[in-house]
Amino acid sequence: DAGVTQSPTHLIKTRGQQVTLRCSPKSGHDTVSWYQQALGQGPQFIFQYYEEEERQRGNFPDRFSGHQFPNYSSELNVNALLLGDSALYLCASSKDRSSYNSPLHFGNGTRLTVT
Amino acid sequence: KNQVEQSPQSLIILEGKNCTLQCNYTVSPFSNLRWYKQDTGRGPVSLTIMTFSENTKSNGRYTATLDADTKQSSLHITASQLSDSASYICVVIGAGGTSYGKLTFGQGTILTVHP
Repeated sequence: DAGVTQSPTHLIKTRGQQVTLRCSPKSGHDTVSWYQQALGQGPQFIFQYYEEEERQRGNFPDRFSGHQFPNYSSELNVNALLLGDSALYLCASSKDRSSYNSPLHFGNGTRLTVT
Repeated sequence: KNQVEQSPQSLIILEGKNCTLQCNYTVSPFSNLRWYKQDTGRGPVSLTIMTFSENTKSNGRYTATLDADTKQSSLHITASQLSDSASYICVVIGAGGTSYGKLTFGQGTILTVHP
């Protein structure tokens, strides 16, 4: 049973460029959340997708956008990259969107470096 | 602003010793509190999930405690092993208002176990 898979594992981009990160949720999960984790910090919530719609959003600018596909996989897009966007981007999936009692399963992340 | 503060920031112990990590939070009301273990370069993995009505939860050598009155939680690791070297992250899930279902992460405690 595959867990959460993310691609690519590492990525180097230049300031001003755009990037797309991909996530496939754990089998049986329908909700996907994205997190940004700067070095030495805890993850920061970006947004959550359920039924192909953005349901919740953290304090991130509109440069961060996403998409969820009918097969529950998801993409995170970041436009006009800044040096401060360099971080580990984590995807997490769960069985329901409430997060109340539903364990989150994380992927191993995409390490984005902006130069 | 909802916050989760962890202490210490980092900790070094010898293999076989016990240790306790602390988590103080201001998220209120909250539905549950979770501890995650994050190995370097990997995604977080769930250790324990406690609802607001639970005082303690164990998972092998890991025991989490919760005092909802003082808004404090601790994670106790017994008979530490080299593989326990990781970052331990406390996460609180909100239960009301704009915090409903939202996860607030601490910055993590970096534990290093030496032989």
